[in-house]
Amino acid sequence: ETGVTQTPRHLVMGMTNKKSLKCEQHLGHNAMYWYKQSAKKPLELMFVYNFKEQTENNSVPSRFSPECPNSSHLFLHLHTLQPEDSALYLCASSQGGYEGYSNQPQHFGDGTRLSIL
Amino acid sequence: GEDVEQSLFLSVREGDSSVINCTYTDSSSTYLYWYKQEPGAGLQLLTYIFSNMDMKQDQRLTVLLNKKDKHLSLRIADTQTGDSAIYFCAESTPYNQGGKLIFGQGTELSVKP
Repeated sequence: ETGVTQTPRHLVMGMTNKKSLKCEQHLGHNAMYWYKQSAKKPLELMFVYNFKEQTENNSVPSRFSPECPNSSHLFLHLHTLQPEDSALYLCASSQGGYEGYSNQPQHFGDGTRLSIL
Repeated sequence: GEDVEQSLFLSVREGDSSVINCTYTDSSSTYLYWYKQEPGAGLQLLTYIFSNMDMKQDQRLTVLLNKKDKHLSLRIADTQTGDSAIYFCAESTPYNQGGKLIFGQGTELSVKP
């Protein structure tokens, strides 16, 4: 496999469920990102991991919990979500950068379309 | 703070050229990017330009950067129906400002046969 792969592609869950989104990259990158894409709004950066260390948490509610066990895998654990959390969740990766940050091109997966009932 | 603005819609005829415009506010941006998003897919990196360049050409794509006016454009020559998608402009901030990408809202390009 090549590129950035996200699973599942679609997820429907109730507000009391717990689920996880998975992202895997085969590009040899060491920075990974979670974004939220809602209709009519710019892409919102949620979390950044650089060399497995979290370097950015963009004021994301605690019902979203990221995990980065290694540079190739990134998870987003979901619990007690709200209807406004319905969106497309995109994962991206890039070359890591200096002092925990990177401005290198980011490569995106196809996203997980999440619907909260 | 950083801000990236794009017009929301553009409609062209097949075979014409498309020009998608973007303005940004951070004069210390290092790279500027263009991404394409087709329905049901993620963002595909199309091209990018380093901030000390003013033009980059890649097959049908031409990127123009006017750093003085903080204006970036993407020209698609001989636009095809397969070019219909949403195009995002993004700027990258330098490492000492977080080194992240700031995206515009996207321009929806509609190509009519």
